[in-house]
Formats: sequence, structure tokens, C-alpha cells
Amino acid sequence: DGGITQSPKYLFRKEGQNVTLSCEQNLNHDAMYWYRQDPGQGLRLIYYSQIVNDFQKGDIAEGYSVSREKKESFPLTVTSAQKNPTAFYLCASSLSAGSYGYTFGSGTRLTVV
Amino acid sequence: SQELEQSPQSLIVQEGKNLTINCTSSKTLYGLYWYKQKYGEGLIFLMMLQKGGEEKSHEKITAKLDEKKQQSSLHITASQPSHAGIYLCGADNGGSGGSNYKLTFGKGTLLTVNP
Repeated sequence: DGGITQSPKYLFRKEGQNVTLSCEQNLNHDAMYWYRQDPGQGLRLIYYSQIVNDFQKGDIAEGYSVSREKKESFPLTVTSAQKNPTAFYLCASSLSAGSYGYTFGSGTRLTVV
Repeated sequence: SQELEQSPQSLIVQEGKNLTINCTSSKTLYGLYWYKQKYGEGLIFLMMLQKGGEEKSHEKITAKLDEKKQQSSLHITASQPSHAGIYLCGADNGGSGGSNYKLTFGKGTLLTVNP
């Protein structure tokens, strides 16, 4: 079945360490997105990519980095510069930028200990 | 940037009751999306509205977009415990202002349905 896979579902990180969240899709979608969700804040856009080897900052990109070397993959690295990294992270994809609707992964809950 | 305001923030209803969730935009909506989320899980697409006055239904859920395309409502008839979750509206910015297409989301409405 086609879809988006995020792994791991739960992730614990020591303060000061970088950590990478995986996002893989087999939908042949061109565009991919990373959102962060905090209680009472809704979804906030971190980074997005419309095509391979290209990505743009979203509204809260500081302390995060991404790469888009393959169409299927859009990993997100949470760096030690991110001051409040504990959150629920959601990856999404769409057929193309401006196409209708996103497909979401099941999310990764990151906890900094 | 486009802002979406959802109301109410949370809602508790008795099973069998009808309810409505609203989503208001600060700008004209090019596309309005409704999603449902179970706690700790991803978002499930419900419906998308584009045209002023448009209305769509799926099972007991109906979504409407007003004529001015700045407000949408989600109505659930005869609610069931399976309807419980977080409902989020998302708006397509239409690539306006030279920016790339992206969805902006409201903060969500937490729905609890008591049996």
C-alpha cells in the first residue's frame, strides 16, 4: 500500500545531541513537508520541498535542517540549536506544490531528556 | 500570512447530539481542507472545499464554505464516540504573494463524545 512512513514513533534524545527523524513516501509525490505540533499551537511548518534537491524554510526553521537527495525521502535533523525540541513531528507529502490535499505520516514524538 | 481561527477550542457533547465547528480565515480561501486527528497519530483527510457556497458530505459529516470564501463550518449529525478527536482546518495560500504553495492550519478543535 502507498503511504508515508515516519520512524521511529517515539524518540528520546539527550540535551545537546542532534537527532534525525526519518520520512519516506512511496506515493511518487513531488512535494514533502515537515510540521511541528505542540499542545494549543496547532501545526507549524518547519521546512518544505517541492522537488528533489530543493527545499525552503517554513515559519519555524531555526534549529532544524533537512535534505532532499531522493524523491522518496525527506529527513529532518533536530540540532542542538533548537531550544525547545520536545514536540510531535509530522511529515506530509502532496502530488505537487499546489495540488489538492496532503497525505500525512503517523508522526514521531521527540522527547529531550 | 494567512491565519485561521477555529472555534470552539474544545467541545464535549453527548452521543447522538449534533455539533458544529467553525474555521475563519483572515484572507480569501483558495482551498479549505478539513482533517481529523486521533491523539498521537497523523492527520486523516476528510474533505476539501474550493468554491464559494460549496457543501460536501461524507457519512454524517458535512462541510460548507461560505460565499465569500472566508469561513467554513464542519457539522456532525448524531455524533458517535468514533467521531471523537481533534479536527483541524487547513488553508491553501494559492501561491499568493510570490510564495510557494503551502497549507496553513488552525489550532484545532478537540471533540469529546460521551456515550
